Amino acid sequence: KAGVTQTPRYLIKTRGQQVTLSCSPISGHRSVSWYQQTPGQGLQFLFEYFSETQRNKGNFPGRFSGRQFSNSRSEMNVSTLELGDSALYLCASSLATSGVKETQYFGPGTRLLVL
Amino acid sequence: KQEVTQIPAALSVPEGENLVLNCSFTDSAIYNLQWFRQDPGKGLTSLLLIQSSQREQTSGRLNASLDKSSGRSTLYIAASQPGDSATYLCAVKTGANSKLTFGKGITLSVRP
Repeated sequence: KAGVTQTPRYLIKTRGQQVTLSCSPISGHRSVSWYQQTPGQGLQFLFEYFSETQRNKGNFPGRFSGRQFSNSRSEMNVSTLELGDSALYLCASSLATSGVKETQYFGPGTRLLVL
Repeated sequence: KQEVTQIPAALSVPEGENLVLNCSFTDSAIYNLQWFRQDPGKGLTSLLLIQSSQREQTSGRLNASLDKSSGRSTLYIAASQPGDSATYLCAVKTGANSKLTFGKGITLSVRP
């Protein structure tokens, strides 16, 4: 079974631009979550999508948005990029059983550098 | 608000040593706790998941324990090897949705 895949793996943008990152979950997984990882803040939750609906949202500005398609693939978009948006963006997928056995599986991440 | 702490931030040990990595959390009403490994610049690999009703889980040389009432978990690594060098993160699932709250991780270096 293929793991979680993320594209692109590396991205360089300049301030003010926008960017779209893509995540394909493990086959059969219906939940996709996005996290931002920086050296200072660690891993911070951005949002979770389940059945094409945002189910939970972290404490990030509205410049960060996402969506999920009917095949469970998800995209996240960051508009008006700032230098502080430079980070490793990770997505995770799960079966979304909402139970105690739910395991999250992470992709390799997209490294975004904002100049 | 759930907060997860991992101390120390870094640890260096000689090869062959048994070691314990600690994780503490503030809200004991958790669904489960997961330990992950992250190699530099890479994604996270799930090592062990402990359900809220369980006390420990084992996989090979790894053993994770959970004391929900005191808000603590430990990851025990037996007979450490240089290949174990990585950052180890613990994360708790507090609600029915899939959100995880992470600690900042412990960077482990195992010296040959």
